[in-house]
Amino acid sequence: ILNVEQSPQSLHVQEGDSTNFTCSFPSSNFYALHWYRWETAKSPEALFVMTLNGDEKKKGRISATLNTKEGYSYLYIKGSQPEDSATYLCAIGGATNKLIFGTGTLLAVQP
Amino acid sequence: NAGVTQTPKFQVLKTGQSMTLQCAQDMNHEYMSWYRQDPGMGLRLIHYSVGAGITDQGEVPNGYNVSRSTTEDFPLRLLSAAPSQTSVYFCASSSRDIINYGYTFGSGTRLTVV
Repeated sequence: ILNVEQSPQSLHVQEGDSTNFTCSFPSSNFYALHWYRWETAKSPEALFVMTLNGDEKKKGRISATLNTKEGYSYLYIKGSQPEDSATYLCAIGGATNKLIFGTGTLLAVQP
Repeated sequence: NAGVTQTPKFQVLKTGQSMTLQCAQDMNHEYMSWYRQDPGMGLRLIHYSVGAGITDQGEVPNGYNVSRSTTEDFPLRLLSAAPSQTSVYFCASSSRDIINYGYTFGSGTRLTVV
């Protein structure tokens, strides 16, 4: 069974701070890495899906990078806002789209 | 466009009862999955399907059955509910173009087994 690890478990930052979290995964048999944003009382929403070593994706103030050779991905948030408060999940997907999730990083942004 | 619809939103069962959690999607997605979410455990895959008539087990399949008779529907059956199955259940679907869109999740079913 794949082991997807995320760190830190939780993070408290002030509005305007930039922050980043890590997702680690086994580098062998890699197919795709997903990042999801999960707000309280809502459903997870897809942020990025990345497949190639060196991939970088960006959506507004949020960006992600991927290193498949060493088995990690970083998610960056520039200038955090209170509305960025959520749990950020990463998942590893195989060729059949079977996704295995990490336990997430809970981000709280204080105004 | 409703996306992924889960019913019911809340359910309380007695130990030993059976029930079916419904999941339907109207996006013609081939892939569908069921996850359970427990505190500190993240989302764990129960069962998944890559198309009508095809299902496979995930990480925690024991105590659950699924079927995929149509592309739209992917019901999850609890055969004999146990308190350990108290959880929030999420259904998700994706097209084969998951690289561009990722998974779409339903709003969840909160199940309590007493």
